Amino acid sequence: DAGVIQSPRHEVTEMGQEVTLRCKPISGHDYLFWYRQTMMRGLELLIYFNNNVPIDDSGMPEDRFSAKMPNASFSTLKIQPSEPRDSAVYFCASSRGQGAYEQYFGPGTRLTVT
Amino acid sequence: AQSVAQPEDQVNVAEGNPLTVKCTYSVSGNPYLFWYVQYPNRGLQFLLKYITGDNLVKGSYGFEAEFNKSQTSFHLKKPSALVSDSALYFCAVRAHLSRYSGAGSYQLTFGKGTKLSVIP
Repeated sequence: DAGVIQSPRHEVTEMGQEVTLRCKPISGHDYLFWYRQTMMRGLELLIYFNNNVPIDDSGMPEDRFSAKMPNASFSTLKIQPSEPRDSAVYFCASSRGQGAYEQYFGPGTRLTVT
Repeated sequence: AQSVAQPEDQVNVAEGNPLTVKCTYSVSGNPYLFWYVQYPNRGLQFLLKYITGDNLVKGSYGFEAEFNKSQTSFHLKKPSALVSDSALYFCAVRAHLSRYSGAGSYQLTFGKGTKLSVIP
């Protein structure tokens, strides 16, 4: 299994531009999570999906952030417009189920907004 | 609300010595507990978990963790540290779900992380 795949690995963009981060979860996993990691705030859960349906988006910072999961093998996190304070590493993770199941993380996308 | 505390931002240990990375938690009811490791420029990697049963859990790379319900702790241990163990370690907790749990109950709450440095 290839694990969770994220693209791009690095993204540098100017303030005001739209940014789209992509994730392919592990096949057979029915939960997908988007996290953001910064030095100041640590690891934050932004949103998670179950069977492609968003369950909890209370961690999404503001309306500039949106996430979709059109099918079981693909999800996107979009920031429009981007701001310098959005600079962080964004991780996608997936798991087989809830409760005791561990999450498997992708390599992350390092986003820099100038 | 559930929470995790990792009281040490950094732990330094000499190669070959035993290591301990501390974690305490707060959750309603029984917990599921996890340890993850993050190497530089990489995603978090699952090490081990406690679900129920034996309080001593063994995981990857020779790591183990001991669940202590009375102290609400889940410290990560290894008998002999390697330089390659140097990384950032995260403890995480999730409450057992019930049919009355809200949508947010499935969240896995992470600690702030502890940087482990193993000195040659």
